[in-house]
Amino acid sequence: GQNIDQPTEMTATEGAIVQINCTYQTSGFNGLFWYQQHAGEAPTFLSYNVLDGLEEKGRFSSFLSRSKGYSYLLLKELQMKDSASYLCAVSDDPRGGGFKTIFGAGTRLFVKA
Amino acid sequence: EAQVTQNPRYLITVTGKKLTVTCSQNMNHEYMSWYRQDPGLGLRQIYYSMNVEVTDKGDVPEGYKVSRKEKRNFPLILESPSPNQTSLYFCASSSTGLAVYEQYFGPGTRLTVT
Repeated sequence: GQNIDQPTEMTATEGAIVQINCTYQTSGFNGLFWYQQHAGEAPTFLSYNVLDGLEEKGRFSSFLSRSKGYSYLLLKELQMKDSASYLCAVSDDPRGGGFKTIFGAGTRLFVKA
Repeated sequence: EAQVTQNPRYLITVTGKKLTVTCSQNMNHEYMSWYRQDPGLGLRQIYYSMNVEVTDKGDVPEGYKVSRKEKRNFPLILESPSPNQTSLYFCASSSTGLAVYEQYFGPGTRLTVT
């Protein structure tokens, strides 16, 4: 079956570093995405990994290991505005077209002062 | 401004009354998709379209229809809505190459079916 797992909630302190993990089992793989979603708003794109390794973008980094079906999102120098849900998603199509997208349930991150 | 628009933003309706939620994008994207978001379940894909006249089912297509007659528009049709279709709906679009790339989401439509 197809499954994406990520923790339901996490709490971290302003200025700290937090790592949000995501494991996936899908019948195909054409890339892994992370999106941020503030309460009551639409998701917005953070990162995309298609090859193994670390992608860095400012305070945000994302890592992928395809052999382990594992990714993480690393947020550095946490700010209060980083309090949001973080969604892990896999582009998956068993026919190899890569056009179906599967999302995890999301991780709600609370940043405290 | 590059954007995805949805209408209406909020809708309360009754069981069985046909409705359409419109979605439009101005980025000339080939790929468009509809998702529903429910507490604890995350975003689930309803239908997607890879280009004009090309649509396919996502994970939860039952009770929904779509059409893609123009590249910019991708309406979601509920022929006979039921209470279990009460949800927050998002439309998204993306460019494509070997796969789907980052998706741009509309603001969402909150639907309540009584």
